[in-house]
Amino acid sequence: KAGVTQTPRYLIKTRGQQVTLSCSPISGHRSVSWYQQTPGQGLQFLFEYFSETQRNKGNFPGRFSGRQFSNSRSEMNVSTLELGDSALYLCASRTGGDNSPLHFGNGTRLTVT
Amino acid sequence: QQQVKQSPQSLIVQKGGIPIINCAYENTAFDYFPWYQQFPGKGPALLIAIRPDVSEKKEGRFTISFNKSAKQFSLHIMDSQPGDSATYFCAASGGDDKIIFGKGTRLHILP
Repeated sequence: KAGVTQTPRYLIKTRGQQVTLSCSPISGHRSVSWYQQTPGQGLQFLFEYFSETQRNKGNFPGRFSGRQFSNSRSEMNVSTLELGDSALYLCASRTGGDNSPLHFGNGTRLTVT
Repeated sequence: QQQVKQSPQSLIVQKGGIPIINCAYENTAFDYFPWYQQFPGKGPALLIAIRPDVSEKKEGRFTISFNKSAKQFSLHIMDSQPGDSATYFCAASGGDDKIIFGKGTRLHILP
């Protein structure tokens, strides 16, 4: 079974621009979560989508948004980029059942200059 | 109340030693406590998980100890090897099924 695929692997953007990251979950997984990883803050939860609906949301500003398509693929968008948005963005999928384990992709490394 | 506090931030252990990573939580609604292992350039991967109805769980060289009354849990790695060098994250979830992670521990096993 193919794992979670995230594209692109690396991205360099300028302050004020916007960016869209993509995630393809494991086949059959209906839940997709997004996390921001930085050296100082560890893994911070952004949001989770299940069957195209946002099920949970973390404490990030409205510049961070996401969506999920009918095939469970997900995209995350960050508008008006700030230097502090530089991070590794991880996507994880799971079946969606109670406490089912997260399966992570290898992330998209975003650098904002 | 949603936080999971993890310590230490980094740890260096001689090969064969037993590194111990500790985590503490406050939210009593948490009922699932997984540990994830992350190697450089890779996403985290589930290592082992425990529920609060047991005090200990072993999988190979990895053991979770759980103290419900103290709201603490820890990961022990027996007979540690250089290949265990990685970043380890504890996590907790419950109620809303949102998984909250600790800030991670960078473990280095000396050969």
